[in-house]
Amino acid sequence: QVQLVESGGGVVQPGRSLRLSCAASGFTFSSYDIHWIRQAPGTGLEWVAVISSDGGTKYYADSVKGRFTISRDNSKNTLDLQMNSLRAEDTAVFYCVRVIGGAFDVWGQGTMVTVSS
Amino acid sequence: QSALTQPASVSGSPGQSITISCTGTSSDVGGFNYVSWYQQRPGKAPKLMIYEVSNRPSGVSNRFSGSKSGNTASLTISGLQAEDEADYYCTSYTSTSTLYVFGTGTKVTVL
Repeated sequence: QVQLVESGGGVVQPGRSLRLSCAASGFTFSSYDIHWIRQAPGTGLEWVAVISSDGGTKYYADSVKGRFTISRDNSKNTLDLQMNSLRAEDTAVFYCVRVIGGAFDVWGQGTMVTVSS
Repeated sequence: QSALTQPASVSGSPGQSITISCTGTSSDVGGFNYVSWYQQRPGKAPKLMIYEVSNRPSGVSNRFSGSKSGNTASLTISGLQAEDEADYYCTSYTSTSTLYVFGTGTKVTVL
């Protein structure tokens, strides 16, 4: 069964850091680019970051550039998102998502991040 | 990079057809065929319904179809059913530093 499972969400104070993880199973993880996409409460979806299948290429949304770092370990089938200098506007459900042909075909269940003092 | 524009809500009676529009620019929808559509039910992750403008993934009902003209993409749901009630989002690859942009989302209500 193709699956992505996120973890690491929680409540964090503004300015602090948090690390999200995503565990993949049921497919050849090292063959796919993987994205993080987030959704603030009651609002729409926002693309956050992507990492290429070999981990050599990374792109970020302007809203998180310089604060978030995406990484992967193909030997462990895991993906991480290191989030620093968190802001209230980063409060959202974060999804780990597989992409194929420009479409997001496999989504995790999401992990909630709340930035609040 | 601004979000793609979708109507906030669309409604229809069972059996009817509805169409949701998704308007962008030549830097996203108009410039690429990487337009896809997602269905999201409350508390759930989005589900891919259409990819590359008009292709349906395996397992998605043929009542869902997609098209594109210029900078506007469309999702049509024919033979509307109660189970189609959900939020729908479009997305497109872009030529900007924001690689992907999502639509504002449309709430579909079955009357």
